[in-house]
Amino acid sequence: AQSVAQPEDQVNVAEGNPLTVKCTYSVSGNPYLFWYVQYPNRGLQFLLKYITGDNLVKGSYGFEAEFNKSQTSFHLKKPSALVSDSALYFCAVRSGNTPLVFGKGTRLSVIA
Amino acid sequence: EAGVTQFPSHSVIEKGQTVTLRCDPISGHDNLYWYRRVMGKEIKFLLHFVKESKQDESGMPNNRFLAERTGGTYSTLKVQPAELEDSGVYFCASSHQRGASYEQYFGPGTRLTVT
Repeated sequence: AQSVAQPEDQVNVAEGNPLTVKCTYSVSGNPYLFWYVQYPNRGLQFLLKYITGDNLVKGSYGFEAEFNKSQTSFHLKKPSALVSDSALYFCAVRSGNTPLVFGKGTRLSVIA
Repeated sequence: EAGVTQFPSHSVIEKGQTVTLRCDPISGHDNLYWYRRVMGKEIKFLLHFVKESKQDESGMPNNRFLAERTGGTYSTLKVQPAELEDSGVYFCASSHQRGASYEQYFGPGTRLTVT
């Protein structure tokens, strides 16, 4: 069965510092990996995805994520955090025709 | 281009009542998905429509939940009768292609509270 783990419920970072939101996955077959962000009172917004090719994927709002097959990880990163990045972040995985499977979400708080 | 819309944004009902949630996908998107997030837990897949046909309904919790997509446009999710454990946020998503590599576009969700 597919699964996604986001080990941190909450991540706090100072504005201007780099941020990392962790995600590990378990899937049989080739994984398709996604990051979504949810701002207050809004739906999930697509940030970026890994399908194949370059392990470093760049997405919206300056975010990037690195696919690591040996560690089955897909951590979300940003070199310099903004207060406006504060939101709930979800990692998700899919393989073949299986449904999208989400992690529990990580709340990111960027402090000015 | 309008995004995925959902109605209502909030619904508070008593146990045993019926509630119908509506989702309007992005125009032209044949694939429509329903998900649910119970407080603090994962977002869980409920079902997937391709046009008006149910492609996968493996996530539907029980027969109190009925999803329809007549005409292949908007979809409704009816809960009848509602139970306390049905409380949560119900998300709808759509995509143009059904393949696993395609991202899904989500609506703002309907927050359902069953008292």
